[in-house]
Amino acid sequence: GQNIDQPTEMTATEGAIVQINCTYQTSGFNGLFWYQQHAGEAPTFLSYNVLDGLEEKGRFSSFLSRSKGYSYLLLKELQMKDSASYLCAVGNQAGTALIFGKGTTLSVSS
Amino acid sequence: DTGVSQDPRHKITKRGQNVTFRCDPISEHNRLYWYRQTLGQGPEFLTYFQNEAQLEKSRLLSDRFSAERPKGSFSTLEIQRTEQGDSAMYLCASRADTGRTNTGELFFGEGSRLTVL
Repeated sequence: GQNIDQPTEMTATEGAIVQINCTYQTSGFNGLFWYQQHAGEAPTFLSYNVLDGLEEKGRFSSFLSRSKGYSYLLLKELQMKDSASYLCAVGNQAGTALIFGKGTTLSVSS
Repeated sequence: DTGVSQDPRHKITKRGQNVTFRCDPISEHNRLYWYRQTLGQGPEFLTYFQNEAQLEKSRLLSDRFSAERPKGSFSTLEIQRTEQGDSAMYLCASRADTGRTNTGELFFGEGSRLTVL
């Protein structure tokens, strides 16, 4: 089976840096994904890690340690529009579907 | 093709009625997924198609739920004898077959919100 843990809520201020952690236990590993979901909207893809290390994409970076079952999403230069739910997901054992965590709701204030 | 589209966007029904949702994936995507999401939770995997073949179903998918993708293009998700616990957002997603086993980026539709009274 698979278990994914991430904090329920986080708050931060504009311009700051925030790190959202995700730990997972899986019977197989087929990549780790981060998605962003604004309230009432569909999830949209942010990043994908399959090897250990840091992947950087503009203001967003994602880190993976497979041996520790750990990932984080780093958001820099926070903007109000970054207020959303951030979903950590892992590929299932068969590599056919993504299994999502419950999401971390990030609130950015001015 | 502008993305994954779902219809209807909202559905209110009485307990015991049947409902059907439709999903039109991105045209070149042969993999199609149905997820269910309730408030404050992440999407829960329900089922997955590769072309017209339904290859995987979650244990969450009771026998009241059935999904089809008859021609390998659009898909329908039917819920029979709806219960109040079925109230949720039903999300459809698609992706291209990259030929690798990893799951790749999913493109989600806006969802169909079901309210069972």
